[in-house]
Amino acid sequence: SQQGEEDPQALSIQEGENATMNCSYKTSINNLQWYRQNSGRGLVHLILIRSNEREKHSGRLRVTLDTSKKSSSLLITASRAADTASYFCATDALGNNRLAFGKGNQVVVIP
Amino acid sequence: NAGVTQTPKFQVLKTGQSMTLQCAQDMNHEYMSWYRQDPGMGLRLIHYSVGAGITDQGEVPNGYNVSRSTTEDFPLRLLSAAPSQTSVYFCASSRDRNYEQYFGPGTRLTVT
Repeated sequence: SQQGEEDPQALSIQEGENATMNCSYKTSINNLQWYRQNSGRGLVHLILIRSNEREKHSGRLRVTLDTSKKSSSLLITASRAADTASYFCATDALGNNRLAFGKGNQVVVIP
Repeated sequence: NAGVTQTPKFQVLKTGQSMTLQCAQDMNHEYMSWYRQDPGMGLRLIHYSVGAGITDQGEVPNGYNVSRSTTEDFPLRLLSAAPSQTSVYFCASSRDRNYEQYFGPGTRLTVT
């Protein structure tokens, strides 16, 4: 079953703007992960946030996790054309690497 | 390090044919997984392994077999291909529980 559900599904922004994506899930989790996929490529890991963490940063990326609302958000600041990709959230309910992926967010950054 | 490698990149099969998708990693990772990606569906877990000799079913295991005889290799076998198995297949590995997964480039499979 699909655990993560991203919102919005597609996002088109100008270069330099910020992009925010949300992910909701249904069951309790051990950790939640965000991945990026460029067209026709494999997935690349961005950030892993554990259930006892509320916020993590990595470069221009900021991820928040609200376990009470069963939701997470991914913020990309000062977007670049190279950020054009699909972004997926994935939940790990038991901390055993059995990931359940959402359907993905397609982000287009216009130069 | 080559990371996670998958072969072939593309494959066309006729219904009923069998084949093996190869996956190898050179990072000495214990955890390995197979996913399929269909349009609008995200990725779904087919099978996974927590170490050599240990495999388990994921969300959509029917029609697929796996084995893990070595830490490095985790092949996925389609015994009798069906059009519903047309998809992009990704292999991934992870060093341990609660760690990120590294994905291979994928195999695009078409079953006619």
